[in-house]
Amino acid sequence: QVRLQESGPGLVKPSETLSLTCTVSRVSVSGEYWTWIRQPPGKGLEWIGYAANNGATSYNPSLNSRVSISVDTSKNEFALKLRSVTAADTAVYYCAKGRSTPNYWGQGTLVTVSS
Amino acid sequence: DVVMTQSPLSLPVTLGQPASISCRSSQSLVHSDGHTYLNWFQQRPGQSPRRLIYEVFNRDSGVPNRFSGSGSGTDFTLKIDRVEAEDVGVYYCMQGTHWPPLTFGQGTRLEIK
Repeated sequence: QVRLQESGPGLVKPSETLSLTCTVSRVSVSGEYWTWIRQPPGKGLEWIGYAANNGATSYNPSLNSRVSISVDTSKNEFALKLRSVTAADTAVYYCAKGRSTPNYWGQGTLVTVSS
Repeated sequence: DVVMTQSPLSLPVTLGQPASISCRSSQSLVHSDGHTYLNWFQQRPGQSPRRLIYEVFNRDSGVPNRFSGSGSGTDFTLKIDRVEAEDVGVYYCMQGTHWPPLTFGQGTRLEIK
């Protein structure tokens, strides 16, 4: 069974960069698409974007140019960076496998933006 | 962006009774490759979302056969034949045809009456 585990700081200051990593087990990150999705407390799901190790990426236009996702085949993980965060970026962040139909998800990690 | 509209947003159901959730998209979800990328996810309290159904009607491994998906074009439905206590949670439809961005419905909260 594929396993994904998010990791990173649970608290980020406003205007700084949110950085998360998703460690993937039991499958190679090569040749697949890897996605980030977030969920503000008590709200619905928002797609952030995806990346593949061949350099393919796609991001939610609502996040403008603040977001980047990268895949590291040497560590079998992928990463999310979200720059210039505000309180509106406070959410549980999920990593997932797949593009149009993500099938395996991590347990999620809560990131709070606060000074 | 493709807008996904679910109804109802709250669904109280008696144990053992059927339940049905509707999901409508603001444009057809038929992709140029012929596939329709409409998925259903279940999020139990305190858990991450779990995919139940992909491409309209395909049940994921381990998903009970009381769950079924149907529909086409812009109109889709998730049905539960006989609701059990473990089905409590929020259900989301998600389209993966037109992106960016991929979009989700608002969620339907299923509770036991």
